[in-house]
Formats: sequence, C-alpha cells, structure tokens
Amino acid sequence: ETGVTQSPTHLIKTRGQQVTLRCSSQSGHNTVSWYQQALGQGPQFIFQYYREEENGRGNFPPRFSGLQFPNYSSELNVNALELDDSALYLCASSFGLAGVLNEQYFGPGTRLTVT
Amino acid sequence: SQKIEQNSEALNIQEGKTATLTCNYTNYSPAYLQWYRQDPGRGPVFLLLIRENEKEKRKERLKVTFDTTLKQSLFHITASQPADSATYLCAEREGGTSYGKLTFGQGTILTVHP
Repeated sequence: ETGVTQSPTHLIKTRGQQVTLRCSSQSGHNTVSWYQQALGQGPQFIFQYYREEENGRGNFPPRFSGLQFPNYSSELNVNALELDDSALYLCASSFGLAGVLNEQYFGPGTRLTVT
Repeated sequence: SQKIEQNSEALNIQEGKTATLTCNYTNYSPAYLQWYRQDPGRGPVFLLLIRENEKEKRKERLKVTFDTTLKQSLFHITASQPADSATYLCAEREGGTSYGKLTFGQGTILTVHP
C-alpha cells in the first residue's frame, strides 16, 4: 500500500453537476498528478501540481481544474459533468518535478459515475 | 503524438510458465519505459523502469527489455503464479519535459491458471 489516499471512494453525480475529488499525497512528496482511467483503458494524464502551481497539463478541457494546498494535498474539480466523465480518477504523488526518475505513487482512486 | 500500444488485451497461461507481455511505441523513442501492475479497484503499482540506453532490467522474477529498433519493450514474469494475475500497464515517461507526464498503454490482463 502506498501512503496516497483519495476520497471519496465512490461517487454518483448527475450530468451538469460539479464534483470535487480529494487526494492526500505520501509524506515528503510535493508533487501531485491526476489521471483519468476509463473502463478497460490505461490512465490518461490530466495535470500535475508542484508546489501549489499547475506545471503540466494533458488534453483535457478547462472544466477540469485543480488545486494544491500548502500541505501538498490536492483537489480535482470537474464542472458541467458529462456522461463521458464517468471513470476512475487516480492521484499520484512524487517528490520533485518528476522529470527524471522520480517514481510516482498512485492512490486507490475515486470511481465517479455520471448519470 | 506518441502512442503506447499493448498488443494483447488478455493473456492466459498455466502456473509455472513464463508470461511475456508486449508494449510498442509508435513515434519517437521514449527516454524511459515503465511497467506497472494494477489490481481491480486499486491504483497502479510501479514495478520496473528501463531507460532508452538499457537493453535489459531484472528484478526477482521480472525482466524487462527495450529494443529501440523494433520500438518495443517486452515484460517477462518467470515461474508465474496465480497471485501474478492482474492488469499490467506499460507507460512512457517523456524525456525533456519539466513534468512527469506518463502516457500509458491500455493494459494487458494476465490470468495465471493453477
């Protein structure tokens, strides 16, 4: 088990609503990345936060936004939910900018269902 | 853009045999390739990393190879056990970026039968 925790475990929302997912990174880690994993697919990079600033983003629209707090925990916010947003959302923490060999430790994920 | 392709959606083998999983990339040679294991309802767990200039890496019963000519990485589990049953993901770490974006393949579901 990694030291990365995510909440909630499961969530059901209605199309058009907004959702906030939370992640606590492993002790000593200052970088958090968020991934979306659709059923039967590999995780897709959403964005990464380092020292409270977004420093990299994948191919996701602006309605996906995030925050990182001084204690390096993080939130993923999704506005105007669509049915295709139904997925497992994974948070991964690491130390530093993870530009080289910094291993990323994944949390168990939040399963979001949009109806 | 780079695509990471894992050819087999599912692989079934008998206990004790060697499982071989394939990962192909379509474009530039990645600086690093990583292999992860994912169990149902859990996040991926890092297993091994191999760099572009390394041919082979081993860790206990696991072995990874990297062939830049074939644009391919092979992941082997020797003396496989039912506990090895899981989804295995290949991921590329882009070199030259300031952030650790991983591009994953779709995964291969490995089932080891007793």
